[in-house]
Amino acid sequence: NAGVTQTPKFRVLKTGQSMTLLCAQDMNHEYMYWYRQDPGMGLRLIHYSVGEGTTAKGEVPDGYNVSRLKKQNFLLGLESAAPSQTSVYFCATATSNEQFFGPGTRLTVL
Amino acid sequence: QKEVEQDPGPLSVPEGAIVSLNCTYSNSAFQYFMWYRQYSRKGPELLMYTYSSGNKEDGRFTAQVDKSSKYISLFIRDSQPSDSATYLCAMESRAAGNKLTFGGGTRVLVKP
Repeated sequence: NAGVTQTPKFRVLKTGQSMTLLCAQDMNHEYMYWYRQDPGMGLRLIHYSVGEGTTAKGEVPDGYNVSRLKKQNFLLGLESAAPSQTSVYFCATATSNEQFFGPGTRLTVL
Repeated sequence: QKEVEQDPGPLSVPEGAIVSLNCTYSNSAFQYFMWYRQYSRKGPELLMYTYSSGNKEDGRFTAQVDKSSKYISLFIRDSQPSDSATYLCAMESRAAGNKLTFGGGTRVLVKP
């Protein structure tokens, strides 16, 4: 089992460009989350989903959109990237007691 | 003020020493408390999970929760160089829908 995978692992964007980060899981979990991690800030929740076809805003949703068309996939989109979105992005899935994290995507916006 | 405060470190200890980590929080609705370990350039992984005040032990790791003081701790006994990582506390209020609130993480370095 692959667990939680993220694509791509690294990406450099120019200001104003768009991109989509893909999270895929084979754990059959209902809950999925997108976080960003910045130095000293811990993990901050961007958006999350409690099941296929549902999404909700987290703590820092501005500038991001998400979709959960299939249970196993959770997509994070940046419509017009800004330097403030330079970060490491983690996807996670959850049971009732534990969140399982992917390996992360390092994004730099120039 | 952040809901969860954690000293960023770094905390440097010799091999075999006890590592002591802690977090304070302000939201009394938090019911579940976790410690995650994150190696460099990896995703966090769950280390300890507890939901009641008191101590929980798992091998060399002990998690302590004091809800009255809004304070949680993680102790690592007989620390090893392989324990060198960033440790993140996380808290959850079920009323908030299984969402976690993380501390900023403490970087720990265990020197051989």
